[in-house]
Amino acid sequence: DVKVTQSSRYLVKRTGEKVFLECVQDMDHENMFWYRQDPGLGLRLIYFSYDVKMKEKGDIPEGYSVSREKKERFSLILESASTNQTSMYLCASSLGVTKNIQYFGAGTRLSVL
Amino acid sequence: GENVEQHPSTLSVQEGDSAVIKCTYSDSASNYFPWYKQELGKRPQLIIDIRSNVGEKKDQRIAVTLNKTAKHFSLHITETQPEDSAVYFCAASRDGGSNYKLTFGKGTLLTVNP
Repeated sequence: DVKVTQSSRYLVKRTGEKVFLECVQDMDHENMFWYRQDPGLGLRLIYFSYDVKMKEKGDIPEGYSVSREKKERFSLILESASTNQTSMYLCASSLGVTKNIQYFGAGTRLSVL
Repeated sequence: GENVEQHPSTLSVQEGDSAVIKCTYSDSASNYFPWYKQELGKRPQLIIDIRSNVGEKKDQRIAVTLNKTAKHFSLHITETQPEDSAVYFCAASRDGGSNYKLTFGKGTLLTVNP
């Protein structure tokens, strides 16, 4: 079974703090993704990575950055958290070029106060 | 880029009835169309997918149909049960090459009433 693990289920941070959300997958997947899920807006892609040290912007990258130093780990960084970044964040991974099935982590519910 | 529209946003059915959720997409080059189910408090999980070389695919009580000419695809659930209650997401992508990201619809909240 593919396992995608997000380091925290719940996080509470203050406005202006630097926030790190960590995601680890154990199936040697090439691709990793960060989504934001808000009611009525579905799953919106923030950033994705198709290889170590490679990254591409998704649909809503503003206010976020990412890091992929090792194949199994993909980090989402909020440089200066703001209240409008309060949301559920989901990480996902997929095998590679011909296999688009994405496997999701359990999510991190972030509250920025 | 790709745009996926999903309807309806909410759907309520009686147990045993059928449910249909429809999606349209904009990129004619898209050729992979998965459906994900997200139960309350859980992660999204793939339930069925279809590629553009087939028009229909079935797996027990669920089926997906694809009309490439009209650029729409649908999820059909027959004999619905309370455990089918969840949010369902459709998605589209180009399969292969460097095009591995999915574009998701906004989701449909399905409620199956006992």
